Amino acid sequence: LAKTTQPISMDSYEGQEVNITCSHNNIATNDYITWYQQFPSQGPRFIIQGYKTKVTNEVASLFIPADRKSSTLSLPRVSLSDTAVYYCLVGDWTGGGADGLTFGKGTHLIIQP
Amino acid sequence: NAGVTQTPKFQVLKTGQSMTLQCAQDMNHEYMSWYRQDPGMGLRLIHYSVGAGITDQGEVPNGYNVSRSTTEDFPLRLLSAAPSQTSVYFCASSYTTGRRDTEAFFGQGTRLTVV
Repeated sequence: LAKTTQPISMDSYEGQEVNITCSHNNIATNDYITWYQQFPSQGPRFIIQGYKTKVTNEVASLFIPADRKSSTLSLPRVSLSDTAVYYCLVGDWTGGGADGLTFGKGTHLIIQP
Repeated sequence: NAGVTQTPKFQVLKTGQSMTLQCAQDMNHEYMSWYRQDPGMGLRLIHYSVGAGITDQGEVPNGYNVSRSTTEDFPLRLLSAAPSQTSVYFCASSYTTGRRDTEAFFGQGTRLTVV
């Protein structure tokens, strides 16, 4: 699985747009990029997934440049409830998930009033 | 549709005791897995299963056993609990075969303390 690097922590304020960048220089051709969110005392929750260019859903956007060596999770107009740990994962799960989901330490996002 | 259900939510064990953490999913997912999460750390894979009757080891399997007799259930057994196994345990499930773009669903976790 491709190793990922993301900031340990970030701070922002309510109403701002937050961008969290993840580096994955060794991403393979078949790998997808997936982001999860985890609140304290809860299991991770899927946010968004993409392969290339831009993906948008009701929660976030995911920007992936042409070389796919990095990706940026964009959270529009954050609120206090967006305070959580965000994990960037890279992998290909067609083989049956033999490597599981490799979670690093994630990015602890703190939103202030 | 309950998703992934873990029981119990909290457990305190004495060193040397055994217990089973239960995990059940009702989404007919082939893939199920167990993770542990220690303070300030990401999740580490303990064991996983790609279908009924098939299990394999993850990153940190020592001290844990699993079995998968049905698609729905994937229990995790601690044979002889040690303080180093104090952690929060998460069970997850997802579709796998033939799908690169898979989403994993996690349970709410079991907070285990071994004294």
